[in-house]
Amino acid sequence: QKEVEQDPGPLSVPEGAIVSLNCTYSNSAFQYFMWYRQYSRKGPELLMYTYSSGNKEDGRFTAQVDKSSKYISLFIRDSQPSDSATYLCAMTPSARQLTFGSGTQLTVLP
Amino acid sequence: DAMVIQNPRYQVTQFGKPVTLSCSQTLNHNVMYWYQQKSSQAPKLLFHYYDKDFNNEADTPDNFQSRRPNTSFCFLDIRSPGLGDAAMYLCATSMGIMNTEAFFGQGTRLTVV
Repeated sequence: QKEVEQDPGPLSVPEGAIVSLNCTYSNSAFQYFMWYRQYSRKGPELLMYTYSSGNKEDGRFTAQVDKSSKYISLFIRDSQPSDSATYLCAMTPSARQLTFGSGTQLTVLP
Repeated sequence: DAMVIQNPRYQVTQFGKPVTLSCSQTLNHNVMYWYQQKSSQAPKLLFHYYDKDFNNEADTPDNFQSRRPNTSFCFLDIRSPGLGDAAMYLCATSMGIMNTEAFFGQGTRLTVV
C-alpha cells in the first residue's frame, strides 16, 4: 500500500464548476500538508500549505485536512481553463521529506 | 524572475554515456533536492543537500550522484544511464529541512537512446 493515495483522473469539468481533489494517507505522523499544481512539462508550484487539521482558504482555492480520517481535499471554485493542470498532494511529518501523491490530471473545458 | 533554474530543459543521452544535469538558485536556500518523476507518477526524492551535508535516499541507485560546489549550484550526475532512467528530473530548494515551502525548477526531461 502506498503511503499517499491520489485518484489519477483524468478529471474533466466545465468552466465555472466546483472541483474537488482528494488524497488519503496511511502515515498518522504526517503533520504538514501541501497541494502543488504542475502544468504540462513544468515543475510543480506550491498552491496551498496547511498544518494539522482544519481549513485554509486562498481566493478560489480551499484546502481541508481531516487527520482523524487521514483525508485531505482541495476545492477549486469557479474553475477556469487556466486551472487545467496536474494537482499533486504532498505531506510530511515534522522535519522529514515530502511524500507526494501521484497527481490528478484536471481539465477545465471552456 | 526564475528562482530555481534547471539546464538544460531537454537532454538526450546515449545508453551508458555519463550525463550531468544542473540546477542553480537565487533564493540562497540551505536545502537543495533532486527528484525523479516518471510519467503519471509522483516525484521520487533521490537525495538532498542541507548546506554541504549530503543525504542519500536508501533506494537511490548508485548510478546517481550529486555535487553541490556552492550554495547556488547543484548537479545531478548519472554515471551510466539506462533506458529506465528516462524521466523528468526536478530540482527544488527550501530554506530549511522542514520543506514546507519547496520551490521547484522547470525540470529537465531526460531521454536515453
